[in-house]
Amino acid sequence: DSGVTQTPKHLITATGQRVTLRCSPRSGDLSVYWYQQSLDQGLQFLIQYYNGEERAKGNILERFSAQQFPDLHSELNLSSLELGDSALYFCASSPQDSPLHFGNGTRLTVT
Amino acid sequence: AQSVTQLDSQVPVFEEAPVELRCNYSSSVSVYLFWYVQYPNQGLQLLLKYLSGSTLVKGINGFEAEFNKSQTSFHLRKPSVHISDTAEYFCAVSELSGNTPLVFGKGTRLSVIA
Repeated sequence: DSGVTQTPKHLITATGQRVTLRCSPRSGDLSVYWYQQSLDQGLQFLIQYYNGEERAKGNILERFSAQQFPDLHSELNLSSLELGDSALYFCASSPQDSPLHFGNGTRLTVT
Repeated sequence: AQSVTQLDSQVPVFEEAPVELRCNYSSSVSVYLFWYVQYPNQGLQLLLKYLSGSTLVKGINGFEAEFNKSQTSFHLRKPSVHISDTAEYFCAVSELSGNTPLVFGKGTRLSVIA
């Protein structure tokens, strides 16, 4: 168990809808990262937060947004969903200068 | 910007045989290097990491990797694989400045055959 908790485990929704994925980092970890894993693109970095502030941005679409709350949990919001957004979404956390620890992911299916 | 190339998308190997999963990276700055393993329907688990010091790094489950700066490689090895090693393996790199996102390779599927 990595200590990173992601909910829900599975999500099935229709095109055009909006969903929120939630991540609770390991106790004490200030950094949260979001990754998207798909068969064709592999593991793509989306966005990083550090102690509530956006630290780095990767290949995140404008339809997607994230935030990190004062209790350090994070949410990834995906809107106007398309079939191509179907993927595994991982959250990872780390303390300063340490390897990332990943959650078990949320599998999103857009129909 | 960094990039990672995993040269083999699939590697089949017989049980108890040795295996090497290849990884090359590209970066204009010094980097940290990692190998992660992903078992079916699970998240990524850290196998080993190279931050500094000895270029031969030992990880969990009997895996080791060697950092070769001149060849910009970080190949993963195991002298004798088990059926339970069947999984997807990802090589990753991050900048030496720390607390920066990992850039992953596309993964290598290791299939161990009985």
